Formats: sequence, C-alpha cells, structure tokens
Amino acid sequence: AQSVTQPDIHITVSEGASLELRCNYSYGATPYLFWYVQSPGQGLQLLLKYFSGDTLVQGIKGFEAEFKRSQSSFNLRKPSVHWSDAAEYFCAVGPSGSARQLTFGSGTQLTVLP
Amino acid sequence: DAGVIQSPRHEVTEMGQEVTLRCKPISGHNSLFWYRQTMMRGLELLIYFNNNVPIDDSGMPEDRFSAKMPNASFSTLKIQPSEPRDSAVYFCASSLTDPNYGYTFGSGTRLTVV
Repeated sequence: AQSVTQPDIHITVSEGASLELRCNYSYGATPYLFWYVQSPGQGLQLLLKYFSGDTLVQGIKGFEAEFKRSQSSFNLRKPSVHWSDAAEYFCAVGPSGSARQLTFGSGTQLTVLP
Repeated sequence: DAGVIQSPRHEVTEMGQEVTLRCKPISGHNSLFWYRQTMMRGLELLIYFNNNVPIDDSGMPEDRFSAKMPNASFSTLKIQPSEPRDSAVYFCASSLTDPNYGYTFGSGTRLTVV
C-alpha cells in the first residue's frame, strides 16, 4: 500500500531564509506526487504536482519540488520565505493513472519568524 | 468558477442529533471526495464518488455515517446520531479523472458535537 511520510512535524524559519520540507513516499510504481498548503481555517490549496518528465517542478508562490526516485523523496523548497508562507504543508501521493484516492502525509507546520 | 462550496462553515450540535454537511463540486468534475481532518488522525478519506456512484466507502467510520450524491452538482454527508468524537473539520474535494489535475478542496465544515 502506498504511504507518505513527512518527518518534520514543525519547522521554524526566519523570513528571508531558505526552506526545505521533506517528503518520502512508498509506492511500487512511478507515483503521482503533490504538495498542498493549508492556511488556518482554509481548505487545502494545490502548490505543485509531479507526474513525469523533468524531476524539478515549479509551483505557485515561488515553490519548487524535486522528485528523486533513488531516495523516494519529493522535497519542497523555497529560496526565500515570506511571512505569508506560514501554514501547514501536506505532501500526497496518488495511484498511477488516476488522481483519485490521494494519500496524504501528516503535514508539516511552518512558522516564519520576523 | 466559485470552486468547491461547502455548507455550513461551522456547525455546533448536541450529541445524538443528526448533522448534514453539504458540498457542491466544481462543475465538470466527475470525482468527489469527503475527508475528515483531526489533530490526532490527520486527513482521512471517508468516501469518494465517481460519476455520482460511490466507489470506496471503506473509510466511513461507522454506520452512523452516510453519504449520497444524487446528482453531479451536489453531495451530502450525514451523521446520525452524532457523537462528540465526530468533532472535526470535514472537507469535500472534487477532481477530474485526468491525473494531471489534483483535487480542489472546499473550505471545510468545522463540526463540534457537545
């Protein structure tokens, strides 16, 4: 069965610093991978997705993620964090060939210090 | 498009009462998902529909929970009778079958059972 691990429950960074959120997945085939962001009191918003091709994908709000098959990872990065990036971030994996039944990680809460 | 619309945004009810949560998916999306989010268990898939047909309801916690999708533009999640442990945020999401699209989430319904 597929699974997603986000090893960091909470990360704190200073505004302007770089950010990397970790995501590891377990899946037999090439997965469909997603990163979502959830602001307080809001639903989840899609940041970016990977299906095939270039392993470095660009998303909204200046985020990018890199798929590394050898490490079963799909880490999210941003070169310079803004205070408005404070939120919870979820990595998700979906079965190949369908966007249904995404499996979500437990989330990483990001705090941004001024 | 107004996105996925959920109502109500907040619901407070007494234990034993019936609760109905509503969802209007994005027009043209043919898959609809109900998730529950709690601090302890994170995001849990309760049930999903494809073309208005329930495909997988293995995540529905008990017989007290039921979901319907009478047409392509409306779905309900009902809890009868409600219990305090049902308190959570319930999200509805919709998607196209094409895996190049992720889910679009609604803003959620925060349910409190007292």
